[in-house]
Amino acid sequence: AQKVTQAQTEISVVEKEDVTLDCVYETRDTTYYLFWYKQPPSGELVFLIRRNSFDEQNEISGRYSWNFQKSTSSFNFTITASQVVDSAVYFCALKSSNTGKLIFGQGTTLQVKP
Amino acid sequence: ETGVTQTPRHLVMGMTNKKSLKCEQHLGHNAMYWYKQSAKKPLELMFVYNFKEQTENNSVPSRFSPECPNSSHLFLHLHTLQPEDSALYLCASSQDSTTSSGANVLTFGAGSRLTVL
Repeated sequence: AQKVTQAQTEISVVEKEDVTLDCVYETRDTTYYLFWYKQPPSGELVFLIRRNSFDEQNEISGRYSWNFQKSTSSFNFTITASQVVDSAVYFCALKSSNTGKLIFGQGTTLQVKP
Repeated sequence: ETGVTQTPRHLVMGMTNKKSLKCEQHLGHNAMYWYKQSAKKPLELMFVYNFKEQTENNSVPSRFSPECPNSSHLFLHLHTLQPEDSALYLCASSQDSTTSSGANVLTFGAGSRLTVL
């Protein structure tokens, strides 16, 4: 069974704080892909990153960084020096190479206060 | 501007109405998707079309009827809906949806917010 769990339903931080959004996944596939999407109040899901299961290198993009740990089946997302514009719902997702289906977690609502 | 456009952005309808949601993508993609986003729930995949053919129907009630006349357009026809169908309906597209396309990124529209009275 494929499953994505984002245990944090809501997080509230003050601007400039660092914040980590957790994502834990379950899959029996050896080849799979992990994604993070951001959903601002406007509604559309904005693609942030994709990792494949063979690439455990951590990635940094500006204030965003991702920590992929196959040993713990986790793909956590950290925002450094958060800003009010980071306020959104963030979704972690898993795509199996066998089914092609994209399975989403429940999402984490991040509120960054000025 | 997003490459996936959804109309209308907001829709209020009675349970006996018939309405349609429209999605158009300008990305040259061959796969299109409908997702349902309800409060406090993960996004639910409803339908998948690949090269205009429906490849996935995730046990969606027949009061939701999709239509994909070409690879750029996707409709969701609504008829005799229930109040629990109120949700944000998101359309997405990707290069294709075959099992070998795991790396394909889905591009989403802004959604149609549906309220059923």
